[in-house]
Amino acid sequence: DAGVIQSPRHEVTEMGQEVTLRCKPISGHNSLFWYRQTMMRGLELLIYFNNNVPIDDSGMPEDRFSAKMPNASFSTLKIQPSEPRDSAVYFCASILGGGNTIYFGEGSWLTVV
Amino acid sequence: GENVEQHPSTLSVQEGDSAVIKCTYSDSASNYFPWYKQELGKGPQLIIDIRSNVGEKKDQRIAVTLNKTAKHFSLHITETQPEDSAVYFCAASRGSQGNLIFGKGTKLSVKP
Repeated sequence: DAGVIQSPRHEVTEMGQEVTLRCKPISGHNSLFWYRQTMMRGLELLIYFNNNVPIDDSGMPEDRFSAKMPNASFSTLKIQPSEPRDSAVYFCASILGGGNTIYFGEGSWLTVV
Repeated sequence: GENVEQHPSTLSVQEGDSAVIKCTYSDSASNYFPWYKQELGKGPQLIIDIRSNVGEKKDQRIAVTLNKTAKHFSLHITETQPEDSAVYFCAASRGSQGNLIFGKGTKLSVKP
């Protein structure tokens, strides 16, 4: 079975540029999560969707961050404009409705210079 | 909201020894407590979990204990091997809502 698929795996961009991270959840999973991981703050939940609807976006750091889930098999996390402090690993994860096991992708390693 | 504290942040053991990682949580409504292992360059992977109606669960060399009264849970790895070296995260959630709150992680090093 294909797991959660994220792209790009690595991105280096200049400050001020727009960054778009993409995620394909496991087929049949109806909840999707975006996490950010840094050394200082660990794993932080940014936003999660249930049946393509954003349920909790209280973890989104500021208006520069936005996330969409236009359909059950695709989600994006956008940062515009990007800043050096956004450098982190961004993980997408999904879960089957009614279940508890969250499956993570391999992450998108973002460096903003 | 939920807050999960994890200790220690780093742990070094000799191969064959046991390793114990402890976590505390603040939300008494939390009822699901998974443990994830993250290897370098990869996403976290679930290794074991426990629900609040169970006090202990074991899977081969790995066991987890839960004390709901004290709001703490622990991961025990016995007969450690070098391939157990990784970062381990505990987490807590209110069950089916699925939005896990993670501890800061423990970097485990198993020396051959």
